[in-house]
Amino acid sequence: GAGVSQTPSNKVTEKGKYVELRCDPISGHTALYWYRQSLGQGPEFLIYFQGTGAADDSGLPNDRFFAVRPEGSVSTLKIQRTERGDSAVYLCASSPWGSWLGELFFGEGSRLTVL
Amino acid sequence: AQTVTQSQPEMSVQEAETVTLSCTYDTSESDYYLFWYKQPPSRQMILVIRQEAYKQQNATENRFSVNFQKAAKSFSLKISDSQLGDAAMYFCAYRAEVGYGGSQGNLIFGKGTKLSVKP
Repeated sequence: GAGVSQTPSNKVTEKGKYVELRCDPISGHTALYWYRQSLGQGPEFLIYFQGTGAADDSGLPNDRFFAVRPEGSVSTLKIQRTERGDSAVYLCASSPWGSWLGELFFGEGSRLTVL
Repeated sequence: AQTVTQSQPEMSVQEAETVTLSCTYDTSESDYYLFWYKQPPSRQMILVIRQEAYKQQNATENRFSVNFQKAAKSFSLKISDSQLGDAAMYFCAYRAEVGYGGSQGNLIFGKGTKLSVKP
C-alpha cells in the first residue's frame, strides 16, 4: 500500500486477555518501529526491526510484550495477560534502511483499551 | 541519554497570526536530525519539517520554519499565517545518525504542545 497500515484501529479487551496488533509497512522499507503513546504523552519507543530481526527491543516494558516480523514485512505486536496500564495508542512506523532523510513514516495507530 | 523537552503544553493563536513552539534537547552527539511532527485527531504523525544538525541554515517549508540553535540545543517551530487546519498536537523529535554511537535511528519525542487556532 501507499502508507503504513495498522489493524485494528481500535481494540477493546478485558484484563488478562491476549491481544495482537498488526502493522503493514510501506513496501520496501526494511526498518520498522513500534511506539506506545499514552494519553497526553509523546510516543515512546518499544522495539525496532531491521529486516526480520529485532535489532533493538530495549523499549519493551516487560516480558508480556513481544513482537515478530517473520518475513521482513508485516509485523505483529503481541501482548499477553493485558493490564489496564497497557491502554494506549500503539503506533507503527517504517523507513528505508539507513539515514535516508532521517524520516519515519507512521501509521494511524491502534488504540488499545483494557477494561 | 538523549532527551527532548517541550515546555509549552498548550498554545493558542489567532487565525492568520504567527506562533512559535519551543523545543530543547540534550545530546552529546554532533550528527543528528531534528523534526517537528504534527498529530491531528486521526492519530497519524505527519512530518512538518526536518533539520539536519550539520546544516547551519534553518529549514523552511512554506509557512513553517525553524530556529535551530545548535550550541544552545534549541529547535523552535514558527508557523506563519496560521490556519484552522494547523490545530493539532505538535511533537518535537530527535534522531541520532543511524549507527552513530550505537544508535538504531530511533526517534525520541517530547511530550508535545497542543496548538489551538482561533477563527
